[in-house]
Amino acid sequence: EDQVTQSPEALRLQEGESSSLNCSYTVSGLRGLFWYRQDPGKGPEFLFTLYSAGEEKEKERLKATLTKKESFLHITAPKPEDSATYLCAVNGGSNYKLTFGKGTLLTVNP
Amino acid sequence: EAGVTQFPSHSVIEKGQTVTLRCDPISGHDNLYWYRRVMGKEIKFLLHFVKESKQDESGMPNNRFLAERTGGTYSTLKVQPAELEDSGVYFCASSRHFTGSNEQFFGPGTRLTVL
Repeated sequence: EDQVTQSPEALRLQEGESSSLNCSYTVSGLRGLFWYRQDPGKGPEFLFTLYSAGEEKEKERLKATLTKKESFLHITAPKPEDSATYLCAVNGGSNYKLTFGKGTLLTVNP
Repeated sequence: EAGVTQFPSHSVIEKGQTVTLRCDPISGHDNLYWYRRVMGKEIKFLLHFVKESKQDESGMPNNRFLAERTGGTYSTLKVQPAELEDSGVYFCASSRHFTGSNEQFFGPGTRLTVL
């Protein structure tokens, strides 16, 4: 069974203070690892897909990286508007369902 | 391009009643998924449609849940009769064909409260 563990559960940063979120996973035959952002009362918003170890993707202040066991979401010089819950999910094997972690609640203080 | 829409946004019902949730996927997306998040837990998969066919319903909790996607467009998820443990947020997602990425785009969710 696919498993995803995210850490930390919550993270408080000062504006401009860079940090990383971790997503550890076990999956049989990784098809893709996905990062989503979720704001309160809204659905998950797609950020990135990573397919193979060594792959990196960037979007504004966010950069996602992937190894065979984990993924990191690096946040460079965050702003208060980056505050949200960040979700990691994997898709593996012969099906197309996503297995999610519990998420990391990021708060960026001005 | 309009995103995934869900109706209603909130529903409060009594135990034993019936509730029907609706999802309209992004136009042209053959794949439609239902997920659920109960309090304090992670988002969990319920089922997957490809057009009007159920591709994977391994996450459906029991036979009180019935999902349909007539005509391969919108989908409904009916809970009958509802139990207290069915409370949570129900998300719908859609994606294009399987070739290439399987990026799933989510709707805003329906918050279901069973009293």
